[in-house]
Amino acid sequence: EIVLTQSPGTLSLSPGERATLSCRASQSISTNYIAWYQQKPGQAPRLLIHGASSRATGIPDRFSGSGSGTDFTLTISRLEPEDFAVYYCQQYNNSPLLTFGGGTKVEIK
Amino acid sequence: EVQLVESGGALIQPGGSLRLSCAASGITFSSYWMHWVRQAPGKGLVWVSRINTDGTTIAYADSVKGRFTISRDNAKNTVYLQMNSLRAEDTAIYYCAAGLGIWGQGTMVTVSS
Repeated sequence: EIVLTQSPGTLSLSPGERATLSCRASQSISTNYIAWYQQKPGQAPRLLIHGASSRATGIPDRFSGSGSGTDFTLTISRLEPEDFAVYYCQQYNNSPLLTFGGGTKVEIK
Repeated sequence: EVQLVESGGALIQPGGSLRLSCAASGITFSSYWMHWVRQAPGKGLVWVSRINTDGTTIAYADSVKGRFTISRDNAKNTVYLQMNSLRAEDTAIYYCAAGLGIWGQGTMVTVSS
């Protein structure tokens, strides 16, 4: 099973600042089958990024994904008030088993 | 409108059984791999199970293997999760998802005496 470790656990930032979230895999994900989700309280997760760097339909371009191998990053270039939420990475390379990271909470400083 | 609607969540005693349903609309259901993902109160997302488009390939997380069964009825645009031998640690919101990007709002399962 591929284990995903997200860091930091919590990120305290102000609106307008840049957010950099990390997702590290326990083994190489050569296909770059990494997705990123945003979840707000009381809501279902929302897909932001798939294939490590492809934005999902309707996702603003301030969200970007990058990385390869075992290290992947979600960057929010300038935080908007609605971006404060919990973010999860997910790998879908190790089919049939899928796994999520533990999440990073982006909170208002 | 694209929609997934889960149902069947309830308060159930340990050792009991429950069947969750997830009805899809607005999508070509038979084209999607379907997943169940759960989230315990205040915790992160955990993938539970998935089924391919025609139901011939199925996988489970180790924590539910042998107790949970996923199935689908493409004629009814519905995926199911049969949960047996339920434990307190199965308490969670259960979400169904079509592929990566289409999620339902979840149904709550509480296992408690």
